[in-house]
Amino acid sequence: SQQGEEDPQALSIQEGENATMNCSYKTSINNLQWYRQNSGRGLVHLILIRSNEREKHSGRLRVTLDTSKKSSSLLITASRAADTASYFCATDGITGANSKLTFGKGITLSVRP
Amino acid sequence: EAGVAQSPRYKIIEKRQSVAFWCNPISGHATLYWYQQILGQGPKLLIQFQNNGVVDDSQLPKDRFSAERLKGVDSTLKIQPAKLEDSAVYLCASSPGTPRYEQYFGPGTRLTVT
Repeated sequence: SQQGEEDPQALSIQEGENATMNCSYKTSINNLQWYRQNSGRGLVHLILIRSNEREKHSGRLRVTLDTSKKSSSLLITASRAADTASYFCATDGITGANSKLTFGKGITLSVRP
Repeated sequence: EAGVAQSPRYKIIEKRQSVAFWCNPISGHATLYWYQQILGQGPKLLIQFQNNGVVDDSQLPKDRFSAERLKGVDSTLKIQPAKLEDSAVYLCASSPGTPRYEQYFGPGTRLTVT
């Protein structure tokens, strides 16, 4: 079963605009990760935020985590055409020593030049 | 640093045939994962190895799928016999430790079962 649920399913913006993507999950987590997948390629890790963190930055990326609402958001500022890709949130659930990532269905982001 | 290598990149087989995928993780990474990604969905974990031991294979269809990681390095995933619904991209990933860390993914093998 898929724990993370991303919103919206698809997003189309103009180059230079900001893109905000949301992820909601059901059970308690150890950490939440965001990945990007370009067409026909493997996934690339973007950022990891732990359950005791509220916000993290990496370049043009900003991730927030609200464990009380069981939700996270990924903000990409000043978007570029190269940001066109699918974005997935993945949760590392608290299931004991053997943790595993559960991915959502993804958000398709299109950045128009 | 070399990334995760996978082969083949593409494979087309008929149903009921068998197929095998190969993965070479990043050197020194103890944990290796196989995921299945059906078109339009996120990756689903099939099996997770810690060194050469299986940590989680709860979502592996064991009647037709098998995987091994000999000597705690390379891994192979086999499907025998294949079904139409096995058409997907099979992704291999590795990490220095558990999912408490980021995972590094290979380019994947796109399998088409006709």
